[in-house]
Amino acid sequence: DIQMTQSPSSLSASVGDRVTITCRASQNIRTFLNWYHHKPGKAPKLLIYAASNLQTGVPSRFSGSGSGTDFTLTISSLQPEDFATYYCQQSYSNPHNFGQGTELEIK
Amino acid sequence: EVQVVESGGGLVQPGGSLRLSCAASGFNIRTYWMSWVRQAPGKGLEWVAKIKEDGSEKHYVDSVKGRFTISRDNAKNSLYLQMNSLRAEDTAVYYCARDEPGGHLLHWGQGTLVTVSS
Repeated sequence: DIQMTQSPSSLSASVGDRVTITCRASQNIRTFLNWYHHKPGKAPKLLIYAASNLQTGVPSRFSGSGSGTDFTLTISSLQPEDFATYYCQQSYSNPHNFGQGTELEIK
Repeated sequence: EVQVVESGGGLVQPGGSLRLSCAASGFNIRTYWMSWVRQAPGKGLEWVAKIKEDGSEKHYVDSVKGRFTISRDNAKNSLYLQMNSLRAEDTAVYYCARDEPGGHLLHWGQGTLVTVSS
């Protein structure tokens, strides 16, 4: 199975900050990497698919990059609604494991 | 509007069984892989299982193999998860989601809570 490791596990930041979250796969997954954010009591929301493709309707302050084993999610200017937990997920091979999550908190 | 709605969660004793359902609307599930994902209390998202459009191929996370069975009824536009031999560690909110080409999950339900406790 492919293991996904995110860093950091938690992060404190302020509105307007630029934030980067990294995700590493235990083997080459090409660009089969997706990013979600999740708020308590809500359904997870897809932000980025195939490493760098912004899902329709997601603000352009979100961007993704990477290929192979190393990937990043960047939020260029944090907004209040962005404070949530972020997950990467590989969809290269089954099981389609998620990373352990990065909790983004207000400083 | 594309929607998926889970149901069937509840309280069950260890060793018991439960069947989750996911009703889809706004699209025809026969043209999509479908997945189950769960989140245990205080934990992250865990991918559980997925099933091919025609039900001919199924995949599971190791921790549920032999205990959980994913199935679908395309005529009813519904997805199911039969959970047997339930353990305390299966306690979680279970989400149904539609797989897009490439494997990302765009449409999710609100989840149904399964609690395994005596």
